Amino acid sequence: AAGVIQSPRHLIKEKRETATLKCYPIPRHDTVYWYQQGPGQDPQFLISFYEKMQSDKGSIPDRFSAQQFSDYHSELNMSSLELGDSALYFCASSLRGGPQETQYFGPGTRLLVL
Amino acid sequence: AQSVTQLGSHVSVSEGALVLLRCNYSSSVPPYLFWYVQYPNQGLQLLLKYTSAATLVKGINGFEAEFKKSETSFHLTKPSAHMSDAAEYFCAVSDQGFGNEKLTFGTGTRLTIIP
Repeated sequence: AAGVIQSPRHLIKEKRETATLKCYPIPRHDTVYWYQQGPGQDPQFLISFYEKMQSDKGSIPDRFSAQQFSDYHSELNMSSLELGDSALYFCASSLRGGPQETQYFGPGTRLLVL
Repeated sequence: AQSVTQLGSHVSVSEGALVLLRCNYSSSVPPYLFWYVQYPNQGLQLLLKYTSAATLVKGINGFEAEFKKSETSFHLTKPSAHMSDAAEYFCAVSDQGFGNEKLTFGTGTRLTIIP
């Protein structure tokens, strides 16, 4: 079965640079979630989109922005990168409306800021 | 706001022994509860979920969990541990409401299997 695709899988950036992470949800899924997992930490919710509109917002820095496009893929844009942004970034997708919505996670993008 | 607490950041069991990973939840509304597993350098894989149907939920790889409202618990068990079960396990909760399905994770439990 098709899964959530994230690209790139690994990314190395310098401080103050920008990064763009991409997420391709499972076909027919209409909702995308972004999570950040720091080293040795649990995943923290950043932001979510439903039908291309932001549906919820968590602890996402103002330096970060995200959007969902007409084909339902999503991009997380990160500017003025800081050392503390080094983390594993997960995207998850789900299909809204069913009684048992489940988020399926991608493999993650590991970002290292030097 | 909903939250989950995982008791024990590290659990070690012998191969073939019972696995018990503890999770207690706090939620102002009936919760959805999940267990995810994360193998080293990999993403999160759904083990099982509780969505207000049967209180005993069976998942993949022989795992199961029981929702106990009176104890606000959702502990994960497996009768016989296998070496391949060594991983990080996360309990998570979400609200059932439309548009509010973000997951709140516990701090994780690292399971080590002793040969």
